[in-house]
Amino acid sequence: QVQLQESGPRLVKPSETLSLTCSVSGGSIKSYYWSWLRQPPGKGLELIGFLSNSGTTNYNPSLESRVTISVDTSENQVSLKLSSVTAADTAIYYCAAYSNSCSCLQTWGQGTLVTVPS
Amino acid sequence: QSALTQPRSVSGSPGQSVTISCTGTTNDVGDYHYVSWYQQHPGKAPKLIIYDVSERPSGVPDRLSGSKSGNTASLTISRLQTDDEAYYYCCSYSGGFSLVFGSGTEVTVL
Repeated sequence: QVQLQESGPRLVKPSETLSLTCSVSGGSIKSYYWSWLRQPPGKGLELIGFLSNSGTTNYNPSLESRVTISVDTSENQVSLKLSSVTAADTAIYYCAAYSNSCSCLQTWGQGTLVTVPS
Repeated sequence: QSALTQPRSVSGSPGQSVTISCTGTTNDVGDYHYVSWYQQHPGKAPKLIIYDVSERPSGVPDRLSGSKSGNTASLTISRLQTDDEAYYYCCSYSGGFSLVFGSGTEVTVL
């Protein structure tokens, strides 16, 4: 089963772009669809978006204008970019592997807390 | 799409059973067999515990079981243990290459 590790800046200034990377090991990046989710402190999970292994994306409508999810197969990495951030974007960000065999988010990264100061 | 509806919290004593409901609509839970459940201990990442309504991944004890009736899915935890204290989130495929999550339920072992 794949292992996932998120990395990126922990502090992002308002109006700047949040950029995170998810490093994939122990399996083929092409075997999964890829998703990013986030969880504001003390709150529930929010799906940011999906990227299929054919390149199709589906983003949360509330974030769609600011989000880009992409895959670098040569580096075995999945990336998230969220532009024009505000304090409301402060959250733990998770990378997760979606498997068609279970129609579920089979494996999750440990998550990384990103803070946008107000 | 709106979040699936879960109770904010449920509780039970060790050895008892608790059931968490997850209510959606005919556009998600009611229309697809793709309901999954995730367990999240404080400070940890969510972990898959149920998929396809009632299937358990390898390593998940059979004390945890899932079911569905109409627009409502359920997770039952039998023979409750202290390690079951966590938040539980349901999730359903909602068509168009998208998922919808529940609001989460806190399970407390008394």
